[in-house]
Amino acid sequence: ILNVEQSPQSLHVQEGDSTNFTCSFPSSNFYALHWYRWETAKSPEALFVMTLNGDEKKKGRISATLNTKEGYSYLYIKGSQPEDSATYLCFNTDKLIFGTGTRLQVFP
Amino acid sequence: EAGVAQSPRYKIIEKRQSVAFWCNPISGHATLYWYQQILGQGPKLLIQFQNNGVVDDSQLPKDRFSAERLKGVDSTLKIQPAKLEDSAVYLCASSLGIGSYEQYFGPGTRLTVT
Repeated sequence: ILNVEQSPQSLHVQEGDSTNFTCSFPSSNFYALHWYRWETAKSPEALFVMTLNGDEKKKGRISATLNTKEGYSYLYIKGSQPEDSATYLCFNTDKLIFGTGTRLQVFP
Repeated sequence: EAGVAQSPRYKIIEKRQSVAFWCNPISGHATLYWYQQILGQGPKLLIQFQNNGVVDDSQLPKDRFSAERLKGVDSTLKIQPAKLEDSAVYLCASSLGIGSYEQYFGPGTRLTVT
């Protein structure tokens, strides 16, 4: 992988559902991966900064894992709420590239 | 703690005109970034400063875009002359340093070129 890719591009879930999305990145020369959450009409906000292979980080109902050997990170949201609706972006600090994001909409 | 400030918030100009954006990072943040975000795409890094030096400007279209951070604090990004494809949100972000430090973003400037 030469670029930072995120999947799916968009996701519609019902309130209470758990969901996850993927960020794939070049595994060579890895330094750090950031996850950001970007709500409409607001600024992107940092969720996690992940540096070590096998890292698992958690903030409330949101957690993330990192596999630097195979070049991917997963973001999980447990029990999605309407306020989780946003675009979730990952950022590879070695390539200074953002993924295109996963747009999540949670319906009540 | 004050966040990253950007101005203006919105700007509409005609093609071939010039425009400038201003960013004031969080106090003490050495690293400053300018991103261009076109609808449907992730933010694209235009330029990264460490204090008043340029770390990376490989994706800055230097024939029309310029940026400076003369005193290592606030920064300006200029487009001269603007093209229709420059319509985008321009985001400024700052961080304590490079790499593992999270970035703090300003509200962005939405530029429309007609």
